[in-house]
Amino acid sequence: IAGITQAPTSQILAAGRRMTLRCTQDMRHNAMYWYRQDLGLGLRLIHYSNTAGTTGKGEVPDGYSVSRANTDDFPLTLASAVPSQTSVYFCASSRGSAGGELFFGEGSRLTVL
Amino acid sequence: GQNIDQPTEMTATEGAIVQINCTYQTSGFNGLFWYQQHAGEAPTFLSYNVLDGLEEKGRFSSFLSRSKGYSYLLLKELQMKDSASYLCASMDSNYQLIWGAGTKLIIKP
Repeated sequence: IAGITQAPTSQILAAGRRMTLRCTQDMRHNAMYWYRQDLGLGLRLIHYSNTAGTTGKGEVPDGYSVSRANTDDFPLTLASAVPSQTSVYFCASSRGSAGGELFFGEGSRLTVL
Repeated sequence: GQNIDQPTEMTATEGAIVQINCTYQTSGFNGLFWYQQHAGEAPTFLSYNVLDGLEEKGRFSSFLSRSKGYSYLLLKELQMKDSASYLCASMDSNYQLIWGAGTKLIIKP
């Protein structure tokens, strides 16, 4: 059982370029999330989706967009990357949207130069 | 505002007991989570408390006091593999998690 798969694992990107981080889960979870993790800060929610077809903004949504066309996939797009978006990005899922244990992917380390 | 406070780093000895504290202030409260995160890896779920008291799960226990906005994670019989960061997170009234910055636990032989 794979759980949550993220790709790429690591990427170096020039500022101004467009980048999509992929996230796929095989647990049939309703809710999915994108977090960024920066040194000295807690995980910060970028965007979330409570169910397929719906998305919402988290704490730090600016510069990012998401889509949820089906239950399994939840890609995160940086339309025009900036150096402040250098971070480790984690995709996560949970069975329901009203709380519960989060299952995380292995993370995508993104460096924007 | 919403805030989670936990110590940045703690050191303990193999075989000993360590308590990692967490205080929280969130808009509403729907439970307190603890996650473990080894360096370079994803966080993994340890515990969830929504009622006051102590929840024991093997070598790990988690305590909650809602009136004090306080929780702790207790790790017994420490092993080298327990060296990791421990993340405290409070779930607010919108069922969103507010995360602390994590406590890096260093275990020495």
